Amino acid sequence: ETGVTQTPRHLVMGMTNKKSLKCEQHLGHNAMYWYKQSAKKPLELMFVYNFKEQTENNSVPSRFSPECPNSSHLFLHLHTLQPEDSALYLCASSHNRVMGEQFFGPGTRLTVL
Amino acid sequence: QKEVEQNSGPLSVPEGAIASLNCTYSDRGSQSFFWYRQYSGKSPELIMSIYSNGDKEDGRFTAQLNKASQYVSLLIRDSQPSDSATYLCAVIRSGGGADGLTFGKGTHLIIQP
Repeated sequence: ETGVTQTPRHLVMGMTNKKSLKCEQHLGHNAMYWYKQSAKKPLELMFVYNFKEQTENNSVPSRFSPECPNSSHLFLHLHTLQPEDSALYLCASSHNRVMGEQFFGPGTRLTVL
Repeated sequence: QKEVEQNSGPLSVPEGAIASLNCTYSDRGSQSFFWYRQYSGKSPELIMSIYSNGDKEDGRFTAQLNKASQYVSLLIRDSQPSDSATYLCAVIRSGGGADGLTFGKGTHLIIQP
């Protein structure tokens, strides 16, 4: 394991539900990321947090709401999702001084009914 | 539009042979380059990073970078069945700090026993 944990590992939700994904890194990193991996598409960057501050929002719909209370924890709050949002959601972390090497958690497999 | 292109494969290589994986990128400002391995149902695992032109070797893996041609490659020597996976090429614009990765769609590699 890489030292990045994600919960839950699997999530099924209806379009009217509200749920949250959690990510925790135990590597002493200062930057954290959310990525989305859909079938037949490249991994897509969603959000970047550097020292708890959001530095990038890659035109993600507002039904996805990130939160980063400290450099070790990252959340993705989900509400009124669409079936096309079903995907693998991956959290990653990196250290500013190690030239972009990012380490991924195991991911949350999300299914929206 | 930043793009990373990879042949999706599958690339079939006999056990013990050299597997050669290729990647091109469109953003000339890219400074950091990575290869990730992703087994089916798992998250990406960082296997190589390269930042300057030339070759970088780590065990059975060699990454090659040619910034003038905007080309990155990964060679796997003495291929093993356990190397069968999807290999993702990723690039990042910045030389440090926190910046999101741009991924290719990946090359599916099959090592035939």
